[in-house]
Amino acid sequence: AQKVTQAQTEISVVEKEDVTLDCVYETRDTTYYLFWYKQPPSGELVFLIRRNSFDEQNEISGRYSWNFQKSTSSFNFTITASQVVDSAVYFCALSEAVYGGSNYKLTFGKGTLLTVNP
Amino acid sequence: NAGVTQTPKFRILKIGQSMTLQCTQDMNHNYMYWYRQDPGMGLKLIYYSVGAGITDKGEVPNGYNVSRSTTEDFPLRLELAAPSQTSVYFCASSFELASNQPQHFGDGTRLSIL
Repeated sequence: AQKVTQAQTEISVVEKEDVTLDCVYETRDTTYYLFWYKQPPSGELVFLIRRNSFDEQNEISGRYSWNFQKSTSSFNFTITASQVVDSAVYFCALSEAVYGGSNYKLTFGKGTLLTVNP
Repeated sequence: NAGVTQTPKFRILKIGQSMTLQCTQDMNHNYMYWYRQDPGMGLKLIYYSVGAGITDKGEVPNGYNVSRSTTEDFPLRLELAAPSQTSVYFCASSFELASNQPQHFGDGTRLSIL
């Protein structure tokens, strides 16, 4: 069974601090996909990044960076120089590869509420 | 530039009532999904569809039904509303099965069963 653990329920930082959101996953598949989504206070879900299990290269996009380590089954998300607009709930999600369209499953973690204070 | 549109945004139902949550997308995506999000929790997949006429159960399908008569629409039906179905419901779509493609989400429907 697949599982996603976001151990940090809430994080509070002051603007301009760096913050790392942890994500640990469990899966028996060798092919799988990891995602991060952002849910701001307005409630919509915004896709941030997708990573497949064969690509362990870290990625940077502006102030956002992701560290994927298969050895520790982690896919951590770092925001550099945080801003108030980064305040949101962040979800990590895992999907195992399926074939033929059946038995699809996407598992979300419970999310981390990030509050960035001015 | 609508993307995924859900209606209604809010609804209050009495126990035992039925209703349909509407979802439509204009991106010509084959794959569509329904999730529920309970307070303090991540999303759980209710049903999904890989194309018109084809639907499949997700993790928490009990108490719900879906249909997919067109590519654009994927309504979710609650036949006998129960308090346990109080939740925020999200519809999503993707170009390919979302194991390797990001999903585009609607703004959600907040449903309360009293």
